[in-house]
Amino acid sequence: QVHLQESGPALVKASETLSLTCNVSGVSISKYYWSWIRKTPGRGLEWIAYIYFTGSTSYNPSLKSRVTMSTNMSKNQFSLTLKSVTAADSAMYYCAGSETWLMSFDLWGQGTMVSVSS
Amino acid sequence: EIVLTQSPGILSLSPGERATLSCTASQTVSNNYLSWYQQKPGQAPRLLIYNGSNRATGFPDRFSASGSGTDFTLTISRLEPEDFAVYYCQQYGSSPTFGRGTKVEIK
Repeated sequence: QVHLQESGPALVKASETLSLTCNVSGVSISKYYWSWIRKTPGRGLEWIAYIYFTGSTSYNPSLKSRVTMSTNMSKNQFSLTLKSVTAADSAMYYCAGSETWLMSFDLWGQGTMVSVSS
Repeated sequence: EIVLTQSPGILSLSPGERATLSCTASQTVSNNYLSWYQQKPGQAPRLLIYNGSNRATGFPDRFSASGSGTDFTLTISRLEPEDFAVYYCQQYGSSPTFGRGTKVEIK
């Protein structure tokens, strides 16, 4: 059974960098395209970016300048880095997977709540 | 970006009733690359429909979806107690975007 588990800080200071990791078990990360998605009361669900194990990435244009994704094949993990965070980046962050480059997400983690403090 | 507008925002129905949820896109969704997700409190969204009308594994056939271009519909033929949740549409014909959701609540 496939399981995705997000990890990272619950609290980040404004202007600093948020780093989240998604640990994948039950399937090799080479088999899926991996995304980060966040949810806020104000903006709802927002796709952030995806990465494929080859290193191919795609980013939400509105976040592209601040976002980096990476994979760690040996640990079967992938990560998100979001620079220069503000209160608007406070959200529930989900890692998710899609079996093809078509971003329909059939795998989801439970989510991790991140708050940005001033 | 393609903006998805879901209506109604809240649908109050009784078990056994039919639910019809709408998702309207600001531009044509190419190849009907539209998904629906079900989200219950405290849980992650769960893929329900992909490619406009294909039901994902684990969902019964009381769930169906249709549409093309800019107008899409999710129908639950007879609501069961476990169907009361929030439903989101999402397009992936271009940079993925989600609708704001329709909450199906018990009347």
